[in-house]
Amino acid sequence: GQQVMQIPQYQHVQEGEDFTTYCNSSTTLSNIQWYKQRPGGHPVFLIQLVKSGEVKKQKRLTFQFGEAKKNSSLHITATQTTDVGTYFCAGYAGNNRKLIWGLGTSLAVNP
Amino acid sequence: DADVTQTPRNRITKTGKRIMLECSQTKGHDRMYWYRQDPGLGLQLIYYSFDVKDINKGEISDGYSVSRQAQAKFSLSLESAIPNQTALYFCATSDSYGSTDTQYFGPGTRLTVL
Repeated sequence: GQQVMQIPQYQHVQEGEDFTTYCNSSTTLSNIQWYKQRPGGHPVFLIQLVKSGEVKKQKRLTFQFGEAKKNSSLHITATQTTDVGTYFCAGYAGNNRKLIWGLGTSLAVNP
Repeated sequence: DADVTQTPRNRITKTGKRIMLECSQTKGHDRMYWYRQDPGLGLQLIYYSFDVKDINKGEISDGYSVSRQAQAKFSLSLESAIPNQTALYFCATSDSYGSTDTQYFGPGTRLTVL
């Protein structure tokens, strides 16, 4: 079936280091969404990418959607302790009415 | 998101008991979802509803049932709870209008089945 793989599963960084999580789909996606879940919290929508090759920035966060619309990445520059949490990618494929979710990347930041 | 509420927030029950988890939303969205989250397994879709008369099974619907009582309410039932249904359950909503279809999650219900 359709799958979205997310790597790495866990990442531990020192505050100030950069962080990247990658999302790879087995099929072409019509869009890709990114969510953040803080420890003890619920997933919160960050952004959606729709166009092939699209790049969007939110302060220290940079989101990319691959040219083939099968992969995406989230890059955080100079991590802060407030970045701690699990980052999920999710996308729609074809006529599928359900979001296909990655398993998430858990980010820990040492102060 | 305060616009999506779930009750109860925590529940401990025993094997074989019937449990209902409730979700209400004031966002006016027509689409509602129930997810289960286990450590390391991400979010697994249990059921989803695109309107009151459109209810669909997700990836892991066995052992669960749902009821969409109104546009704003979507309940999840465990007819006979078993220990491997111990998990964090999230309700979510989305709007069919526009192209984003962003999902808004409730705070979650932590369910423990002994």
